[in-house]
Amino acid sequence: DIQMTQSPSSVSASVGGRVSITCRASQDISSWLAWYQQKPGMAPKFLIFASSTLQTGVPSRFSGSGSGTEFTLTISSLQPDDFATYYCQQAHSFPLTFGGGTRVEI
Amino acid sequence: EVLLVESGGGLVKPGGSLRLSCAASGFTFNTYNLNWVRQAPGKGLEWVAYISSSSSSIYYADSVKGRFTISRDNARNSLFLQMNSLKAEDTAVYYCARDRGSTELDYWGQGTLVTVSS
Repeated sequence: DIQMTQSPSSVSASVGGRVSITCRASQDISSWLAWYQQKPGMAPKFLIFASSTLQTGVPSRFSGSGSGTEFTLTISSLQPDDFATYYCQQAHSFPLTFGGGTRVEI
Repeated sequence: EVLLVESGGGLVKPGGSLRLSCAASGFTFNTYNLNWVRQAPGKGLEWVAYISSSSSSIYYADSVKGRFTISRDNARNSLFLQMNSLKAEDTAVYYCARDRGSTELDYWGQGTLVTVSS
């Protein structure tokens, strides 16, 4: 199975600030990586696929990069609505696996 | 608008069974692969099962293999998860999620809570 490791597990930031979250895969997954945002009590929301392609409607302050085993989600100019938990997921092979999550706090 | 609505969750004793349903609307159901993903209280996301659009390919997480069965009814736009021999560690919110075609999950239901406890 492919293990996904996210860091940090939590990060504090201010409105208007910038945050970067790293996701590492235990083996090469090319660009088969997705990112999700989840707020308490709600279902995950799909943000990015193929490592760097924004889902329709996702603000451009979100960006994704990376390939192989190391990936990054960056949120520039944080907005109040962005404070949430973020998960990466490898889409390379079954079983699908998620990172442990990164909580972005004020 | 794509909608996925789960139902069937509840409280069940260890060793018991439960059948979850997911009613879909707003898209051509029989052309999309689907998944179940769960989230234990206060924990992260765990993929549970996948079924292809025609039911020809099915995969399970090792943690549920042999106990859970995923199925779908394309005529009724519905996805199911039959859960048998339930354990306390199966306690979670269960989400159905649409696969955009590359095992990236673009739409999710609101989830249904399954609690396994005596």
